[in-house]
Amino acid sequence: NAGVTQTPKFQVLKTGQSMTLQCAQDMNHEYMSWYRQDPGMGLRLIHYSVGAGITDQGEVPNGYNVSRSTTEDFPLRLLSAAPSQTSVYFCASSYGTGESSPLHFGNGTRLTVT
Amino acid sequence: KQEVTQIPAALSVPEGENLVLNCSFTDSAIYNLQWFRQDPGKGLTSLLLIQSSQREQTSGRLNASLDKSSGRSTLYIAASQPGDSATYLCAVRSRSNTGKLIFGQGTTLQVKP
Repeated sequence: NAGVTQTPKFQVLKTGQSMTLQCAQDMNHEYMSWYRQDPGMGLRLIHYSVGAGITDQGEVPNGYNVSRSTTEDFPLRLLSAAPSQTSVYFCASSYGTGESSPLHFGNGTRLTVT
Repeated sequence: KQEVTQIPAALSVPEGENLVLNCSFTDSAIYNLQWFRQDPGKGLTSLLLIQSSQREQTSGRLNASLDKSSGRSTLYIAASQPGDSATYLCAVRSRSNTGKLIFGQGTTLQVKP
C-alpha cells in the first residue's frame, strides 16, 4: 500500500491563479480531510469528507473547494490564490470516524503564493 | 468548542532521560486521542491512539495515558535518544463532531547526545 499520496510536493502560484492539490489513498478509507499547517497556528482543518459524495467544512474553509466523487480521491481546489494561503497542506484519511480509527497523513504540499 | 493545548512548546533534554509530554483538552466528551510525531519538513506519523474507554496505550519506549475527567493526556518516552528529536502533536476527536480532529500546537523535543 502506498498509503496517502499527495501531489505536487511543491507549488508556487501567483495571486489570483487557481489550482488543485491532489490527494489519493489506497486503503479504502471512508474518511478524508485536508489540513493546513502554519507557524504559530498549528494544524487547522479546512474540509473533510465521511464518504463519497459527502463533504463538510472545517475551521478554515474560505477560499477552498472540495468534492469527493470516489472513495480514493479527495482533491482540494484553490479558486483564486491569495498570499494568505501560503502554507503547508496535509491530506489525511482514516477507515472511519470511530473510536479505533487512527488518522494517516500524506507527506504534504508546500504552497507559496506570491 | 474543543480546544487542545500542549505545554511546553519546546523541551531539551540529555540523552537517556525519561520524559513526559503533556496534552490537555477542554471538552471531556471525546471519542479518542491520538499522538503523532512530525520530523522537520515531513508529514505526521501516528504513534499511539487511545480510545475513550482506555486508560493507556504502549508501543516500545512510548506510553500514552488518558484521564478524561481531568481533560489530560501524557506521552511518556523512556530512555530518550537523539533520534526521538521531533515535534510531538496530540489530537482529539470529540463525540459532538466525530468528523473533526482538533490538534494541539505541539511540543518540539530536542534530545542532546
